[in-house]
Amino acid sequence: KAGVTQTPRYLIKTRGQQVTLSCSPISGHRSVSWYQQTPGQGLQFLFEYFSETQRNKGNFPGRFSGRQFSNSRSEMNVSTLELGDSALYLCASSLPGAADTQYFGPGTRLTVL
Amino acid sequence: KNEVEQSPQNLTAQEGEFITINCSYSVGISALHWLQQHPGGGIVSLFMLSSGKKKHGRLIATINIQEKHSSLHITASHPRDSAVYICAVRFVNDMRFGAGTRLTVKP
Repeated sequence: KAGVTQTPRYLIKTRGQQVTLSCSPISGHRSVSWYQQTPGQGLQFLFEYFSETQRNKGNFPGRFSGRQFSNSRSEMNVSTLELGDSALYLCASSLPGAADTQYFGPGTRLTVL
Repeated sequence: KNEVEQSPQNLTAQEGEFITINCSYSVGISALHWLQQHPGGGIVSLFMLSSGKKKHGRLIATINIQEKHSSLHITASHPRDSAVYICAVRFVNDMRFGAGTRLTVKP
């Protein structure tokens, strides 16, 4: 079974631009979560989607948004990029249920110049 | 105050030593995860616990719900265990992470 895939793996943008990151979960997994990892803040929860609905959202500004499609693939969008948005963005998928094991993708490393 | 506290931050051990990493959290949770992150960023979920103890190979994870504390043990440590170990707790609507423990196992 293929693992979680994320595209692109690396991305360089400039301040003020917007970016869309994509995550394809493991086949059969309907829950997708997104996380941001920075050297200063560590790992932080962004959002969780299940069956195309956002179930939970972390403490991030409205510039960060996401969505999930009917095939469980998910995208996250960051508008008006800031230097501080430079980070590794990870998505993880799991079977339904809050306590199920999460399977992480390799991440997208975003650099904002 | 971070709701998830991990200790130690850094740990250096000799091959074969018994390793313990601790995680404490401040409020009730639905589950606790132990994650392993190797250089390059890839994260692997090692355990998901809601009570008791789990074992997988040389790794053992325990959780004490009353004391809000979990430990990850590595028996007979090996250089390939060198990684950052992260405790993650699942609250009702959120997930919070510890700062991680950087483990280096020397041959």
